[in-house]
Amino acid sequence: DTGVSQDPRHKITKRGQNVTFRCDPISEHNRLYWYRQTLGQGPEFLTYFQNEAQLEKSRLLSDRFSAERPKGSFSTLEIQRTEQGDSAMYLCASSTGSMSPYEQYFGPGTRLTVT
Amino acid sequence: AQSVTQLGSHVSVSEGALVLLRCNYSSSVPPYLFWYVQYPNQGLQLLLKYTSAATLVKGINGFEAEFKKSETSFHLTKPSAHMSDAAEYFCAVDAGNMLTFGGGTRLMVKP
Repeated sequence: DTGVSQDPRHKITKRGQNVTFRCDPISEHNRLYWYRQTLGQGPEFLTYFQNEAQLEKSRLLSDRFSAERPKGSFSTLEIQRTEQGDSAMYLCASSTGSMSPYEQYFGPGTRLTVT
Repeated sequence: AQSVTQLGSHVSVSEGALVLLRCNYSSSVPPYLFWYVQYPNQGLQLLLKYTSAATLVKGINGFEAEFKKSETSFHLTKPSAHMSDAAEYFCAVDAGNMLTFGGGTRLMVKP
């Protein structure tokens, strides 16, 4: 299967701890997106990369959130000093950057529970 | 700013009945619109997309949607519901380098 993969699938952490999630996009896709989905809601855009460049990060929820894509392949999303309100599903998607609209393919998500 | 509204957070139909899931959009430019389906504990799967080539768009699993500019709508339909269609459905608009999603509609299919 060459779809978008995310690791871990589930993460339980205590309030105040840092967490990091990984996303591996479809190999030929140069765009990578992060979304957050809370229970009963649609996904909410956080940030996106084209290759290694982070082109939009104003939607990151606070300065506790950061994302990287150092070599233009996989990406990581880090949340520092987690709070209970950070409990959500974090979704990664990828797309080509060749022609709009960019059809996004989603991974299975990482479910974060902050206790 | 572009946005979408999905009317009805829950829709229940009988197996074999028509499925109609509503989506209205707001956009200052001609929109690109998408429908995604999400099964429990899974990511989103693209059902279909509107890119202005044709107003009636056919997707996977027998779903289709019609773009109506005059009504700013992009409703999703399927002539005959199957038990396997039970899932959460999201309408989304391409807001330029990101998708803006509606709140979702949970479809329940009764035997």
